Amino acid sequence: GENVEQHPSTLSVQEGDSAVIKCTYSDSASNYFPWYKQELGKGPQLIIDIRSNVGEKKDQRIAVTLNKTAKHFSLHITETQPEDSAVYFCAAGYAGGTSYGKLTFGQGTILTVHP
Amino acid sequence: DTAVSQTPKYLVTQMGNDKSIKCEQNLGHDTMYWYKQDSKKFLKIMFSYNNKELIINETVPNRFSPKSPDKAHLNLHINSLELGDSAVYFCASSQYSSGRSTKETQYFGPGTRLLVL
Repeated sequence: GENVEQHPSTLSVQEGDSAVIKCTYSDSASNYFPWYKQELGKGPQLIIDIRSNVGEKKDQRIAVTLNKTAKHFSLHITETQPEDSAVYFCAAGYAGGTSYGKLTFGQGTILTVHP
Repeated sequence: DTAVSQTPKYLVTQMGNDKSIKCEQNLGHDTMYWYKQDSKKFLKIMFSYNNKELIINETVPNRFSPKSPDKAHLNLHINSLELGDSAVYFCASSQYSSGRSTKETQYFGPGTRLLVL
């Protein structure tokens, strides 16, 4: 089955700095890679996703890159703000066929943005 | 206008008891999921239902039994609760197939915090 490794487990940055979280996956069949943000006491919320037919996707201060050959993908947050502080999860899955959207999650990264 | 809702939000119970958690989504999705998040924040899928049919059944003790009365609801019943069942349980939903395209985004509920004493 799929295995997703996420690093670092904790990340502390100053407001305005950039933050990068990296994930690797094991199953070359995976073609869908979402990133979720989980705030304290809440459920995970999708912030950005990427499919294997593109190498990069950007949405305002958030970008995700994907390297299919190396089987790794990364989340980049620029100009961080205190409200970006949360737990971030990467995930990998196969969109299509009979997988019905099964996602395997990374271990999570606790991001703290200091004012 | 909550998209995915769960009840109860908190559940404190004794070992050996039986309890249920309910989930409802008003997004019109055809697929629903149960995830378990342990104390280290690790999220792991337990079950998935598509159009009321069990699709994904991970290695979960048979004390856990999901039930989907209709596409909008997925409940989780747990028998003979054990200390190790203490965790946060999340329900999620997605629209797996819609005509020519699939929409994989999973929308999560707020979670049910289960504590077994």
